[in-house]
Amino acid sequence: AQSVSQHNHHVILSEAASLELGCNYSYGGTVNLFWYVQYPGQHLQLLLKYFSGDPLVKGIKGFEAEFIKSKFSFNLRKPSVQWSDTAEYFCAVAGRNFVFGPGTRLSVLP
Amino acid sequence: ETGVTQTPRHLVMGMTNKKSLKCEQHLGHNAMYWYKQSAKKPLELMFVYSLEERVENNSVPSRFSPECPNSSHLFLHLHTLQPEDSALYLCASSQEPDQPQHFGDGTRLSIL
Repeated sequence: AQSVSQHNHHVILSEAASLELGCNYSYGGTVNLFWYVQYPGQHLQLLLKYFSGDPLVKGIKGFEAEFIKSKFSFNLRKPSVQWSDTAEYFCAVAGRNFVFGPGTRLSVLP
Repeated sequence: ETGVTQTPRHLVMGMTNKKSLKCEQHLGHNAMYWYKQSAKKPLELMFVYSLEERVENNSVPSRFSPECPNSSHLFLHLHTLQPEDSALYLCASSQEPDQPQHFGDGTRLSIL
């Protein structure tokens, strides 16, 4: 069965620290990959997506993610986080089905 | 404004009540979804509709009954719910089932 895992349940960083959130999936076919973000009290919104082409994709607010097919991974990165990045981040994979990961809560300390 | 509108925003109901959640999308999308978001649990996909036909039903109890009368509207009919059904119910839509989804703000459901 298709599944998505995220490495960390809760990440706590200080402002200006670098961020990397892990995401791995299990599915052998072609996939579309997504990262969504949910800020406190707000709806889920798309951060970035990968369909094909350059495996390094750039999204909004300085986020980027790299698709490594051989590792079935799609990790999210940001060089320098801000307090306003405090949110929950969800990786999602569209293969046979559309599946969300369990989410990683990011807390950025001012 | 996401283009996906859910009503009501909050709903409190007893276990014997019957109520419905409504979702409307103004994006011209072909696929619509119901999700359940509970504290400390992954986002759970409940139902998927594509072109008004149900294409996925993830072993959801029969006390949840979806209805998709047209490509812009999606309902979730609720009856004889249990306390563990208290959660945030999210509606989403996308152009096709493998495309990015746009989410509504959700309905916060509390079962007494």
